[in-house]
Amino acid sequence: DQQVKQNSPSLSVQEGRISILNCDYTNSMFDYFLWYKKYPAEGPTFLISISSIKDKNEDGRFTVFLNKSAKHLSLHIVPSQPGDSAVYFCAASAGGGGTSYGKLTFGQGTILTVHP
Amino acid sequence: EAQVTQNPRYLITVTGKKLTVTCSQNMNHEYMSWYRQDPGLGLRQIYYSMNVEVTDKGDVPEGYKVSRKEKRNFPLILESPSPNQTSLYFCASSPLGGWNTFGSGTRLTVV
Repeated sequence: DQQVKQNSPSLSVQEGRISILNCDYTNSMFDYFLWYKKYPAEGPTFLISISSIKDKNEDGRFTVFLNKSAKHLSLHIVPSQPGDSAVYFCAASAGGGGTSYGKLTFGQGTILTVHP
Repeated sequence: EAQVTQNPRYLITVTGKKLTVTCSQNMNHEYMSWYRQDPGLGLRQIYYSMNVEVTDKGDVPEGYKVSRKEKRNFPLILESPSPNQTSLYFCASSPLGGWNTFGSGTRLTVV
């Protein structure tokens, strides 16, 4: 039972345009959400997070939106750059406010390709 | 440099031959975890540890063992590896209330 789903295996965008990566979840106990970026031959690296008490969090070119009623979150990258090409994972925690309460549930990942 | 170090990076072994993948972190983090990454399934948690001598099962613990005798180390043990354990493994650590830092991964092939 996949509690966190990323239904788009891949996304291709032009440099300078917006990239929108989507993630859906089913467990209403999740209260903290994160996005990780992964390059080949490297481990995932933390990108941005959002608590369930917020509906938006922004960090430079990256913005995460959370729609709790729809159990949906999205990552917007504006403007997209070729260096953003990577696999993006969303993850969720039911830890009561922490990203490190032991258990993170990840989605399947979306491969983003940004063309020059 | 703050990091999570896994060894080895690549490993090919035969079915049934016990192996250990080591993981060490130098950030004094409380939490450590092991994940496996498989195509179409993302990262799935195998085991996690909230502190020394405190471990708990993740989503896919079958066939794996862990131990946390020291805060910095969290080895993953496969007592009798099988081909379905062929995967890319990641160790991660995090402080209380902080996000995970991942190691570079161990690609394991069991033949």
